[in-house]
Amino acid sequence: EVQLVESGGGLVQSGGSLRLSCAAPRISINSFDMNWVRQAPGKGLEWISYMSSSGSAIYYADSVKGRFTISRDSATNSLYLHLDSLRAEDTAVYYCARMTVGDAFDIWGQGTMVTVSS
Amino acid sequence: EIVLTQSPGTLSLSPGERATLSCRASQSVNRNYLAWYQQKPGQAPRLLIYGSSSRATGIPDRFSGSGSGTDFTLTITTLEPEDFAVYYCQQSDTSGWTFGQGTKVEIK
Repeated sequence: EVQLVESGGGLVQSGGSLRLSCAAPRISINSFDMNWVRQAPGKGLEWISYMSSSGSAIYYADSVKGRFTISRDSATNSLYLHLDSLRAEDTAVYYCARMTVGDAFDIWGQGTMVTVSS
Repeated sequence: EIVLTQSPGTLSLSPGERATLSCRASQSVNRNYLAWYQQKPGQAPRLLIYGSSSRATGIPDRFSGSGSGTDFTLTITTLEPEDFAVYYCQQSDTSGWTFGQGTKVEIK
């Protein structure tokens, strides 16, 4: 059963912006710590952002700090990632993931592809 | 930032064989915060092990994790055809969350 669904990816020029969405049809976003993780083509996994269940703690990887913003909307039960000042090296599949015991990511969406053209 | 180095890069084995994957950290990792994932082409990662040795829901008991400090191991006792994939270790600490670069388990 699908529990997280990402959308919003696409092709954007270098320096441009995008907003990614992560809808949660079967779980409450507000009840869990949530994250964004990305994977460049043919590469490994890179954690990029975290939001606590309370919303009071937000962290970013150094590679995206100051350019990406994580947020959520209780009304739509969705997590968001706003991407600004995009670079070619931001090209990747972006996953949202729920955090569980031990800070492990137990539920992942299917991912949404972001391609930044230079 | 803690760097995780996985070895080998590629493991060529036959179904029925035992797979031993290593994850070495650049500094000591709290074993409660070490996880392993499986990823198949075109799919999202799947959590296998959390807390170094606890299997996630629905994970067969042929998968086991062990280790402490800077050295952790994922063992697959008897490889099934569906186990050929890429495996990642991951840790968390006050600096954030980091993943190893992955070990590909391929059919020999």
